[in-house]
Amino acid sequence: DTGVSQDPRHKITKRGQNVTFRCDPISEHNRLYWYRQTLGQGPEFLTYFQNEAQLEKSRLLSDRFSAERPKGSFSTLEIQRTEQGDSAMYLCASSRTSGRLGETQYFGPGTRLLVL
Amino acid sequence: DQQVKQNSPSLSVQEGRISILNCDYTNSMFDYFLWYKKYPAEGPTFLISISSIKDKNEDGRFTVFLNKSAKHLSLHIVPSQPGDSAVYFCAAPRSYSGGGADGLTFGKGTHLIIQP
Repeated sequence: DTGVSQDPRHKITKRGQNVTFRCDPISEHNRLYWYRQTLGQGPEFLTYFQNEAQLEKSRLLSDRFSAERPKGSFSTLEIQRTEQGDSAMYLCASSRTSGRLGETQYFGPGTRLLVL
Repeated sequence: DQQVKQNSPSLSVQEGRISILNCDYTNSMFDYFLWYKKYPAEGPTFLISISSIKDKNEDGRFTVFLNKSAKHLSLHIVPSQPGDSAVYFCAAPRSYSGGGADGLTFGKGTHLIIQP
């Protein structure tokens, strides 16, 4: 399977705990994106990397959220001091930079987070 | 500020008939659009895309039409099959830097139900 993978697929945690999610992109893709999806909404952009550089963070990404992509391959998204409002599906996507037109992002299966 | 809008939360179509899913956008700078399909508990799967230099793109049973003057696009599925039952998202690149898209902005999705 050469698609985007995410781990874990499901996570239940208590409010105040820290959680970390991992994303492995398609191997030749240099761009990696994190999104969050809540019920009844489309995915919302959180942040993205080009290789190991984090180039933009959405205002949705509070100080409790941090993302890394240390070697330009896999990425981690950590949420510190989780709150019930963090409950959502966290999606990772990757793409190959090919110019302005024709770039497609491929999504992983997501990590479903439930904060009790 | 929802720049990509899908105003029909759900659509029911009989198997074998045509399904038409609609999407409106407000940002005239959008130059590329994508449709994704999502099953429950899975990540979005890329379906079809269209560049703003075209008004139609076809891939098998799926055709996307773009009307730039109306800022409107539609996805046609014909004939509709039971496996097409899913949530369909319309998306556009937020902006561009470094030769690639800075993430996608999504509509809220339309839940397509194919009835036997």
